[in-house]
Amino acid sequence: AQSVSQHNHHVILSEAASLELGCNYSYGGTVNLFWYVQYPGQHLQLLLKYFSGDPLVKGIKGFEAEFIKSKFSFNLRKPSVQWSDTAEYFCAVIGNQAGTALIFGKGTTLSVSS
Amino acid sequence: NAGVMQNPRHLVRRRGQEARLRCSPMKGHSHVYWYRQLPEEGLKFMVYLQKENIIDESGMPKERFSAEFPKEGPSILRIQQVVRGDSAAYFCASSPIPGGEQFFGPGTRLTVL
Repeated sequence: AQSVSQHNHHVILSEAASLELGCNYSYGGTVNLFWYVQYPGQHLQLLLKYFSGDPLVKGIKGFEAEFIKSKFSFNLRKPSVQWSDTAEYFCAVIGNQAGTALIFGKGTTLSVSS
Repeated sequence: NAGVMQNPRHLVRRRGQEARLRCSPMKGHSHVYWYRQLPEEGLKFMVYLQKENIIDESGMPKERFSAEFPKEGPSILRIQQVVRGDSAAYFCASSPIPGGEQFFGPGTRLTVL
């Protein structure tokens, strides 16, 4: 069965620090990859997605992610975080031969102190 | 273009009662997905529906849970005879195509007393 692992449960950073959140998935076929963010009290919003093409994907609010097929990874990065980035971040995958529902990781809570 | 709408936002039920959760997809979206989020867990897929059809219900418990997406009106997730373990946040998402980007609603937080 497909699964998604997010390595960090809770990350605490100071403003202007760099961010990298790890995400690995287990599925051998073609995948669509997503990062969603949930700000406190709000619903999930899409940060960025990868379907095909350039493995370095740029999303909203200065976030980017790199798809490394050989490592089954899709890590999220931001060079300089802001207090407003405090939120929960979810990595998700759709295995294209295994249905169309999103398979989510357990999420990473990011706390940014000003 | 209004986003995905869910109601109610909060629902309190006593054990044994029924819970009905509603989801109105974005305009033009005919694919609806329901997910459940338990404390300290990520979102888990429950069921995928297109208009009038259940396409994939592999994540939905076989008993007490049912879902529909009628030709007219919202999609409904129904939980009969609720138990405390059903307490969770239930999210609905819609998509214009299967396998594409899914747009999420604000969720319904169900509390079973």
